[in-house]
Amino acid sequence: GAGVSQSPSNKVTEKGKDVELRCDPISGHTALYWYRQSLGQGLEFLIYFQGNSAPDKSGLPSDRFSAERTGGSVSTLTIQRTQQEDSAVYLCASSLGSGEKKLFFGSGTQLSVL
Amino acid sequence: GESVGLHLPTLSVQEGDNSIINCAYSNSASDYFIWYKQESGKGPQFIIDIRSNMDKRQGQRVTVLLNKTVKHLSLQIAATQPGDSAVYFCAENGGGSQGNLIFGKGTKLSVKP
Repeated sequence: GAGVSQSPSNKVTEKGKDVELRCDPISGHTALYWYRQSLGQGLEFLIYFQGNSAPDKSGLPSDRFSAERTGGSVSTLTIQRTQQEDSAVYLCASSLGSGEKKLFFGSGTQLSVL
Repeated sequence: GESVGLHLPTLSVQEGDNSIINCAYSNSASDYFIWYKQESGKGPQFIIDIRSNMDKRQGQRVTVLLNKTVKHLSLQIAATQPGDSAVYFCAENGGGSQGNLIFGKGTKLSVKP
């Protein structure tokens, strides 16, 4: 596609529910990243996929967070048993590969946990 | 500068003036730096990048300066326009094996017409 696409753009959920956020990277980009941005804050790294390598999960804040990338393209970030502190904008980015650090970001998913 | 809680450092400039946004980075082994612009409700947008073997790089109306001695990065915007109003983030690659960028907390630029 022309850019990184994320869906939904907004998600409101109740505490304790599971949510899935989707990311469609730029076609041909082998690296995919998830970041979290809390209100008025910088970007917090969550997870990084590069090709068929094992993902770097070092930024995931708890075992309630997980992500998959199927077929080397679309990625899904899953948050189980959501908590109010999970409320944030979840940003996905892609790049041409691990040696290319210029990331292209989607518009994010605004998650609100009530 | 760094932000505390919800209060981002804010830079307010007059339209047409030059803007300078500063960033202190943490890892002396970082060899790549990048500036992003984020408008309200949008994802960060690439502005300009620089590798550690350079100390200056120019783009269209923007210049990035890198001072490795004091681990300082700056973004200069010439003839600032209302459309430049946004939050600006610097990021470094951290010099490690991780593929991710490490982002600063951002500076909010407000342009007064």
